[in-house]
Amino acid sequence: QSALTQPASVSGSPGQSITISCTGTSSDVGGYNYVSWYQQRPGKAPKLMIYDVSKRPSGVSNRFFGSKSGNTASLTVSGLQAEDEADYFCSSYTRSSTWVFGGGTKLTVL
Amino acid sequence: QVQLVESGGGVVQPGRSLRLSCAASGFTFNSYGMHWVRQAPGKGLEWVAIIWYDGTNEYSADSVKARFTISRDNSKNTLYLQMNSLRVEDTAVYYCVRGIDYYATPDIWGQGTMVTVAS
Repeated sequence: QSALTQPASVSGSPGQSITISCTGTSSDVGGYNYVSWYQQRPGKAPKLMIYDVSKRPSGVSNRFFGSKSGNTASLTVSGLQAEDEADYFCSSYTRSSTWVFGGGTKLTVL
Repeated sequence: QVQLVESGGGVVQPGRSLRLSCAASGFTFNSYGMHWVRQAPGKGLEWVAIIWYDGTNEYSADSVKARFTISRDNSKNTLYLQMNSLRVEDTAVYYCVRGIDYYATPDIWGQGTMVTVAS
Protein backbone atom coordinates (compact mmCIF):
# COMPACT_ATOMS: atom_id res chain seq x y z
CA GLN A 1 0.00 0.00 0.00
CA SER A 2 2.51 2.61 -1.14
CA ALA A 3 1.33 6.20 -1.26
CA LEU A 4 0.66 7.74 -4.66
CA THR A 5 3.40 10.10 -5.83
CA GLN A 6 2.72 13.83 -6.03
CA PRO A 7 5.12 16.78 -6.35
CA ALA A 8 5.73 18.42 -3.01
CA SER A 9 4.91 21.87 -4.31
CA VAL A 10 3.72 23.82 -7.34
CA SER A 11 3.21 27.51 -7.83
CA GLY A 12 1.69 29.94 -10.26
CA SER A 13 0.66 33.55 -10.65
CA PRO A 14 -2.94 34.73 -10.54
CA GLY A 15 -4.70 33.96 -13.81
CA GLN A 16 -2.26 31.25 -14.81
CA SER A 17 -2.89 27.50 -14.94
CA ILE A 18 -1.09 24.80 -13.00
CA THR A 19 -1.19 21.02 -13.13
CA ILE A 20 -0.56 18.61 -10.27
CA SER A 21 0.34 15.03 -11.13
CA CYS A 22 -0.47 11.89 -9.16
CA THR A 23 1.37 8.72 -10.13
CA GLY A 24 0.41 5.25 -9.03
CA THR A 25 0.44 1.79 -10.55
CA SER A 26 -1.79 -0.48 -12.58
CA SER A 27 -3.16 -1.75 -9.25
CA ASP A 28 -4.66 1.60 -8.37
CA VAL A 29 -4.69 4.73 -10.55
CA GLY A 30 -4.14 2.83 -13.79
CA GLY A 31 -6.62 0.10 -13.04
CA TYR A 32 -9.69 2.05 -12.00
CA ASN A 33 -11.48 5.28 -12.84
CA TYR A 34 -11.91 6.00 -9.15
CA VAL A 35 -9.39 8.78 -8.67
CA SER A 36 -10.37 11.75 -6.57
CA TRP A 37 -8.78 15.06 -5.54
CA TYR A 38 -9.10 16.97 -2.29
CA GLN A 39 -8.31 20.53 -1.29
CA GLN A 40 -7.23 21.18 2.28
CA ARG A 41 -6.77 24.62 3.75
CA PRO A 42 -4.76 25.04 6.98
CA GLY A 43 -6.61 23.77 10.02
CA LYS A 44 -9.56 22.55 7.96
CA ALA A 45 -10.88 19.19 6.84
CA PRO A 46 -10.26 18.17 3.23
CA LYS A 47 -12.86 19.05 0.61
CA LEU A 48 -13.67 16.88 -2.39
CA MET A 49 -12.88 18.73 -5.64
CA ILE A 50 -12.86 15.97 -8.27
CA TYR A 51 -14.10 12.36 -8.21
CA ASP A 52 -14.20 9.51 -10.71
CA VAL A 53 -11.14 11.07 -12.43
CA SER A 54 -12.94 14.08 -13.89
CA LYS A 55 -16.32 14.70 -12.24
CA ARG A 56 -16.90 17.85 -10.21
CA PRO A 57 -19.22 17.83 -7.18
CA SER A 58 -21.91 20.45 -7.13
CA GLY A 59 -20.48 23.81 -6.11
CA VAL A 60 -16.90 23.20 -7.21
CA SER A 61 -15.62 25.73 -9.71
CA ASN A 62 -15.21 24.62 -13.31
CA ARG A 63 -11.68 25.99 -13.10
CA PHE A 64 -10.77 22.61 -11.59
CA PHE A 65 -10.30 19.84 -14.14
CA GLY A 66 -9.27 16.22 -13.64
CA SER A 67 -7.82 13.76 -16.11
CA LYS A 68 -5.90 10.49 -16.28
CA SER A 69 -3.46 8.80 -18.62
CA GLY A 70 -2.16 5.37 -17.78
CA ASN A 71 -0.95 5.25 -14.18
CA THR A 72 -0.91 9.03 -13.77
CA ALA A 73 -3.81 11.27 -12.89
CA SER A 74 -3.69 15.05 -13.07
CA LEU A 75 -5.47 18.00 -11.54
CA THR A 76 -5.41 21.24 -13.52
CA VAL A 77 -6.43 24.52 -11.96
CA SER A 78 -6.99 27.30 -14.46
CA GLY A 79 -7.35 31.02 -13.85
CA LEU A 80 -5.50 30.76 -10.54
CA GLN A 81 -6.94 32.77 -7.69
CA ALA A 82 -5.52 33.56 -4.29
CA GLU A 83 -8.21 31.39 -2.68
CA ASP A 84 -6.84 28.33 -4.51
CA GLU A 85 -3.74 28.35 -2.31
CA ALA A 86 -3.96 25.13 -0.29
CA ASP A 87 -2.71 21.56 -0.07
CA TYR A 88 -4.07 19.13 -2.64
CA PHE A 89 -4.24 15.37 -2.24
CA CYS A 90 -5.12 12.71 -4.77
CA SER A 91 -6.65 9.37 -3.89
CA SER A 92 -7.42 6.12 -5.67
CA TYR A 93 -9.28 2.89 -5.13
CA THR A 94 -6.96 -0.13 -5.26
CA ARG A 95 -7.07 -3.74 -6.35
CA SER A 96 -6.98 -4.77 -2.68
CA SER A 97 -10.38 -3.11 -2.11
CA THR A 98 -8.62 -0.39 -0.13
CA TRP A 99 -7.92 3.27 -0.82
CA VAL A 100 -4.61 5.10 -1.02
CA PHE A 101 -3.73 8.78 -0.88
CA GLY A 102 -0.94 10.76 -2.43
CA GLY A 103 1.62 12.56 -0.30
CA GLY A 104 0.07 15.94 -1.03
CA THR A 105 1.06 19.02 -3.03
CA LYS A 106 1.28 22.53 -1.65
CA LEU A 107 -0.08 25.03 -4.18
CA THR A 108 1.28 28.55 -3.79
CA VAL A 109 -0.30 31.45 -5.64
CA LEU A 110 2.47 33.97 -6.18
CA GLN B 1 -27.17 19.18 5.68
CA VAL B 2 -24.72 16.29 5.84
CA GLN B 3 -22.85 16.31 9.12
CA LEU B 4 -20.22 14.01 10.59
CA VAL B 5 -19.09 14.62 14.17
CA GLU B 6 -16.19 12.64 15.57
CA SER B 7 -15.54 12.13 19.25
CA GLY B 8 -13.42 10.00 21.57
CA GLY B 9 -9.98 11.40 20.86
CA GLY B 10 -7.50 12.26 23.57
CA VAL B 11 -4.12 11.46 25.05
CA VAL B 12 -3.32 7.81 25.66
CA GLN B 13 -0.20 5.85 26.58
CA PRO B 14 1.47 3.48 24.12
CA GLY B 15 -0.06 0.01 24.21
CA ARG B 16 -3.44 1.25 25.47
CA SER B 17 -6.78 1.33 23.65
CA LEU B 18 -9.19 4.02 22.51
CA ARG B 19 -12.53 3.98 20.69
CA LEU B 20 -13.53 6.74 18.33
CA SER B 21 -17.12 7.46 17.37
CA CYS B 22 -18.63 9.37 14.48
CA ALA B 23 -22.23 10.55 14.63
CA ALA B 24 -23.77 10.99 11.19
CA SER B 25 -26.78 13.09 10.25
CA GLY B 26 -28.40 14.69 7.23
CA PHE B 27 -28.24 11.60 4.99
CA THR B 28 -29.36 7.97 4.91
CA PHE B 29 -26.45 6.51 6.86
CA ASN B 30 -27.22 2.87 6.06
CA SER B 31 -26.87 3.54 2.32
CA TYR B 32 -23.24 4.68 2.41
CA GLY B 33 -19.88 3.09 2.93
CA MET B 34 -17.80 4.90 5.54
CA HIS B 35 -14.08 5.49 6.01
CA TRP B 36 -11.61 6.52 8.65
CA VAL B 37 -8.70 8.61 7.38
CA ARG B 38 -5.94 10.04 9.56
CA GLN B 39 -3.42 12.84 9.31
CA ALA B 40 -0.34 13.03 11.50
CA PRO B 41 0.72 16.56 12.53
CA GLY B 42 2.17 18.37 9.53
CA LYS B 43 1.86 15.28 7.34
CA GLY B 44 -0.36 14.01 4.55
CA LEU B 45 -3.53 11.99 4.58
CA GLU B 46 -3.40 8.26 5.33
CA TRP B 47 -6.35 6.02 4.61
CA VAL B 48 -7.13 3.79 7.61
CA ALA B 49 -10.21 1.66 7.01
CA ILE B 50 -13.53 1.28 5.21
CA ILE B 51 -16.76 -0.49 6.07
CA TRP B 52 -19.52 -1.21 3.60
CA TYR B 53 -22.94 0.39 3.93
CA ASP B 54 -24.40 -2.72 5.56
CA GLY B 55 -21.35 -3.66 7.60
CA THR B 56 -20.82 -6.92 5.73
CA ASN B 57 -17.29 -6.11 4.66
CA GLU B 58 -14.44 -4.06 6.01
CA TYR B 59 -10.87 -3.45 4.90
CA SER B 60 -7.98 -1.71 6.58
CA ALA B 61 -4.49 -0.43 5.88
CA ASP B 62 -1.57 -2.72 6.59
CA SER B 63 -0.27 -0.21 9.17
CA VAL B 64 -3.30 -0.79 11.42
CA LYS B 65 -4.42 -4.27 10.47
CA ALA B 66 -5.01 -6.54 13.48
CA ARG B 67 -4.88 -3.52 15.81
CA PHE B 68 -7.76 -1.32 14.61
CA THR B 69 -11.33 -2.43 13.93
CA ILE B 70 -13.92 -0.42 12.07
CA SER B 71 -17.60 -1.03 12.81
CA ARG B 72 -20.94 0.69 12.54
CA ASP B 73 -24.37 0.73 14.14
CA ASN B 74 -26.88 1.70 11.49
CA SER B 75 -29.66 1.92 14.08
CA LYS B 76 -27.70 4.72 15.77
CA ASN B 77 -26.24 6.32 12.62
CA THR B 78 -22.81 5.91 14.17
CA LEU B 79 -19.42 4.77 12.91
CA TYR B 80 -16.72 3.47 15.24
CA LEU B 81 -12.99 2.83 15.23
CA GLN B 82 -11.64 0.58 17.98
CA MET B 83 -7.92 1.19 18.31
CA ASN B 84 -5.87 -1.30 20.30
CA SER B 85 -2.13 -1.58 20.99
CA LEU B 86 -1.68 2.08 20.16
CA ARG B 87 1.74 3.28 19.06
CA VAL B 88 3.37 6.70 19.07
CA GLU B 89 3.11 6.72 15.27
CA ASP B 90 -0.69 6.48 15.50
CA THR B 91 -0.74 10.08 16.73
CA ALA B 92 -2.93 11.97 14.27
CA VAL B 93 -6.20 13.71 13.58
CA TYR B 94 -8.72 11.01 12.71
CA TYR B 95 -11.40 11.91 10.20
CA CYS B 96 -14.69 10.14 9.62
CA VAL B 97 -15.54 10.27 5.91
CA ARG B 98 -18.65 9.32 3.95
CA GLY B 99 -18.16 7.29 0.79
CA ILE B 100 -20.16 7.71 -2.42
CA ASP B 101 -20.69 5.49 -5.47
CA TYR B 102 -19.99 1.78 -5.76
CA TYR B 103 -16.47 1.85 -4.34
CA ALA B 104 -17.31 4.48 -1.71
CA THR B 105 -15.21 7.38 -2.96
CA PRO B 106 -14.54 9.53 0.13
CA ASP B 107 -16.59 12.71 -0.19
CA ILE B 108 -17.86 14.46 2.96
CA TRP B 109 -15.39 14.75 5.86
CA GLY B 110 -15.96 15.39 9.54
CA GLN B 111 -13.86 17.96 11.39
CA GLY B 112 -11.70 15.26 12.94
CA THR B 113 -10.69 14.22 16.43
CA MET B 114 -7.11 14.33 17.69
CA VAL B 115 -5.47 11.22 19.09
CA THR B 116 -2.13 11.62 20.84
CA VAL B 117 -0.17 8.54 21.86
CA ALA B 118 2.54 9.46 24.31
CA SER B 119 4.02 8.27 27.55
